[in-house]
Amino acid sequence: KQEVTQIPAALSVPEGENLVLNCSFTDSAIYNLQWFRQDPGKGLTSLLLIQSSQREQTSGRLNASLDKSSGRSTLYIAASQPGDSATYLCAVRVSSNTGKLIFGQGTTLQVKP
Amino acid sequence: GAGVSQSPSNKVTEKGKDVELRCDPISGHTALYWYRQSLGQGLEFLIYFQGNSAPDKSGLPSDRFSAERTGGSVSTLTIQRTQQEDSAVYLCASSLYSGLDGYTFGSGTRLTVV
Repeated sequence: KQEVTQIPAALSVPEGENLVLNCSFTDSAIYNLQWFRQDPGKGLTSLLLIQSSQREQTSGRLNASLDKSSGRSTLYIAASQPGDSATYLCAVRVSSNTGKLIFGQGTTLQVKP
Repeated sequence: GAGVSQSPSNKVTEKGKDVELRCDPISGHTALYWYRQSLGQGLEFLIYFQGNSAPDKSGLPSDRFSAERTGGSVSTLTIQRTQQEDSAVYLCASSLYSGLDGYTFGSGTRLTVV
């Protein structure tokens, strides 16, 4: 059974710091992995999608990496800003035959001005 | 539409009543998903529709929950005889079949059963 874990559960950093959020999954046989952002009381916003054949994806100050063999993904945020404060969720899709995403519990990030 | 639209955004209902939640996916997206987010529970898969195929209902928590998708577009999630434990945010998402693109989520319906 696939399980997704995110560490840390919460993180507080001063503005300007570079930071790394971690996601691990127990079964390396995945179809893709997606990182989302959720603001309080809002839905999920897709940040980056990494297919199983890819190693990383970049969008602006965000970089996500994927190491299937070790069951890990990291989300790197460069030069953090207060507007980055949100909960970050990673989700694994186990195969192309199912639409089911398995989510981690999320990391709640606070960037202090 | 430009995004996934869900209605209502908030719903308060009395225990025992039935509720219907609506999701309007992005035009052209053939796949549609319902998830539930409860306090302390994370995001829980409920049901998945793909084109004309039989839906994957494996995540529905009980037979009080059902969903349909009419004409391959709009979907309705129905909860019968609501219970307090049904209180949660119900999120809908859609995607292209290929899976090469990610999922787009709506803003959700916050359901409160009193």
